[in-house]
Amino acid sequence: NAGVTQTPKFRILKIGQSMTLQCTQDMNHNYMYWYRQDPGMGLKLIYYSVGAGITDKGEVPNGYNVSRSTTEDFPLRLELAAPSQTSVYFCASSYDTGRETQYFGPGTRLLVL
Amino acid sequence: AQKVTQAQTEISVVEKEDVTLDCVYETRDTTYYLFWYKQPPSGELVFLIRRNSFDEQNEISGRYSWNFQKSTSSFNFTITASQVVDSAVYFCALTKYTGANSKLTFGKGITLSVRP
Repeated sequence: NAGVTQTPKFRILKIGQSMTLQCTQDMNHNYMYWYRQDPGMGLKLIYYSVGAGITDKGEVPNGYNVSRSTTEDFPLRLELAAPSQTSVYFCASSYDTGRETQYFGPGTRLLVL
Repeated sequence: AQKVTQAQTEISVVEKEDVTLDCVYETRDTTYYLFWYKQPPSGELVFLIRRNSFDEQNEISGRYSWNFQKSTSSFNFTITASQVVDSAVYFCALTKYTGANSKLTFGKGITLSVRP
């Protein structure tokens, strides 16, 4: 099993551009999450999904959108990129929420200039 | 609201020293889970341990051990005989036991440097 995969690994965007960060998991997990990690700040939840077709906002959703059309995929869309969105983005999945362990992808480093 | 505090931001030790990483949490829930994750220089997040609030027994896994004390709301992590490969950022995290709104709350992380 590949676990959680993310593409791309690194991307440079210009201010105002848009892009989609891809996330796929092959563990048949119901729950998927997007986090951003800023230096010295830990991880903050952007959006999460409890199953195909169901998504909800996390702590820092502004400037992002998500969709979940399949169990495996949970893409994160950045519209009108801003320098404040420069960060490392992690996708994670878990079988259930709460007590179940979240398994993380390798991350996508995004630089907005 | 949940909160995880990792007061130590950076720790530097010499190889073979023992080191303890502190984690203090706040929650109103009576049942919850605590986690530790490791982030090596390569950047990925590696799961280390999960502990539920019902079980206060300490856990040992090789050179790693965890001390969970509900009375002080702490879940500390000790590395015995540290090695250079232990150099990483370590995150403590907390979540409710279950429920749609039970999301992970992370601390800010502790950067551990182990010098040869």
